Amino acid sequence: GQQVMQIPQYQHVQEGEDFTTYCNSSTTLSNIQWYKQRPGGHPVFLIQLVKSGEVKKQKRLTFQFGEAKKNSSLHITATQTTDVGTYFCAGPRSSNTGKLIFGQGTTLQVKP
Amino acid sequence: EPEVTQTPSHQVTQMGQEVILRCVPISNHLYFYWYRQILGQKVEFLVSFYNNEISEKSEIFDDQFSVERPDGSNFTLKIRSTKLEDSAMYFCASSIAGISYNEQFFGPGTRLTVL
Repeated sequence: GQQVMQIPQYQHVQEGEDFTTYCNSSTTLSNIQWYKQRPGGHPVFLIQLVKSGEVKKQKRLTFQFGEAKKNSSLHITATQTTDVGTYFCAGPRSSNTGKLIFGQGTTLQVKP
Repeated sequence: EPEVTQTPSHQVTQMGQEVILRCVPISNHLYFYWYRQILGQKVEFLVSFYNNEISEKSEIFDDQFSVERPDGSNFTLKIRSTKLEDSAMYFCASSIAGISYNEQFFGPGTRLTVL
């Protein structure tokens, strides 16, 4: 079945350093979504990428969707302690379903 | 801002007991979902629901599980005979439409502990 994999599983950075998490799907995706889950919290939607090669920015966060629509990345510039949490990518099983297949997530710790 | 709500926040039950987890999706949303997250692991899809019937379910969603929309606002997940491995955080989510181009709004979750 479809699998979505993320690396790294954990990342510890010093405040101010950059952070990147990578997401790879075993199948081509119609789109990819990114969610953030704070410790003890629930997943919160960040963004959706649809087009091949698409790049979107939200302040210090940059999201990319690969040309083949099988991989994606999230890059955070100059991390802050408020960036702490687990970042999940999620891909739909098909373009006609709401079912999301989540990656394992990357847990980011930021040392002040 | 509208949000998905879930009750209870924490449910403790004995193995073999039935539990019902409750959710109130966002009012103008049409598609509803249940996901679960075992501690420290990824979020796993259980079931999607539209127009009073199941749209899709995962292999996890076996005969012990059922969902229902008993009235115009609530969406419930019932586990008939809980097992130890059902211990997890259960998230309800809703979206305006079911196609994958719509973001899903997650509730705060119910932590189910099976003893």
